[in-house]
Amino acid sequence: GAGVSQSPRYKVTKRGQDVALRCDPISGHVSLYWYRQALGQGPEFLTYFNYEAQQDKSGLPNDRFSAERPEGSISTLTIQRTEQRDSAMYRCASSLSGTNSPLHFGNGTRLTVT
Amino acid sequence: GESVGLHLPTLSVQEGDNSIINCAYSNSASDYFIWYKQESGKGPQFIIDIRSNMDKRQGQRVTVLLNKTVKHLSLQIAATQPGDSAVYFCAENFILTAGNKLTFGGGTRVLVKP
Repeated sequence: GAGVSQSPRYKVTKRGQDVALRCDPISGHVSLYWYRQALGQGPEFLTYFNYEAQQDKSGLPNDRFSAERPEGSISTLTIQRTEQRDSAMYRCASSLSGTNSPLHFGNGTRLTVT
Repeated sequence: GESVGLHLPTLSVQEGDNSIINCAYSNSASDYFIWYKQESGKGPQFIIDIRSNMDKRQGQRVTVLLNKTVKHLSLQIAATQPGDSAVYFCAENFILTAGNKLTFGGGTRVLVKP
């Protein structure tokens, strides 16, 4: 079946612009997660949702970052006034339930801020 | 695709031999653990998980061992194949903190020699 789908695959933007990254989770998965991954490191937690409710946003670096999942399915991670330090691979994952179930990751969006 | 793990600890294994990848986790209260495999240009792929009430779990060609006394997790791959070449991450979760938020370790690169 279809896995987690993220778009765009690559995004290049100029410093100061806003970007929106999209995640389409596996159908029927309750929980959706956003992670950021630097080269050579494991994914770093940003935020997660159960259905449409944002359960934890403690990993968002600052208030320029926000996420939503209004209908409990597709999610958007928005970065306002992008800075070069925001350049990274952003990964979305989903899981069938919110506890003790494995996360299934998408192939990510590579964001480059110039 | 992008490279994952440019400067990671590396385990070189002869094809057909068994591999053992080790991970020291950080939180003694963690109660759920997962191993992921990540190939270049792709998202982390779930391999196997284990709950803290177990000390061993077996899958297809893989075994995860958990030693809570010393906070150590290992992944054993039997009869390593060229397709096993990848970066492997362990991840832990403490359910009571925030649902299924996983914290990832630093990763180990496995290179399978023909």
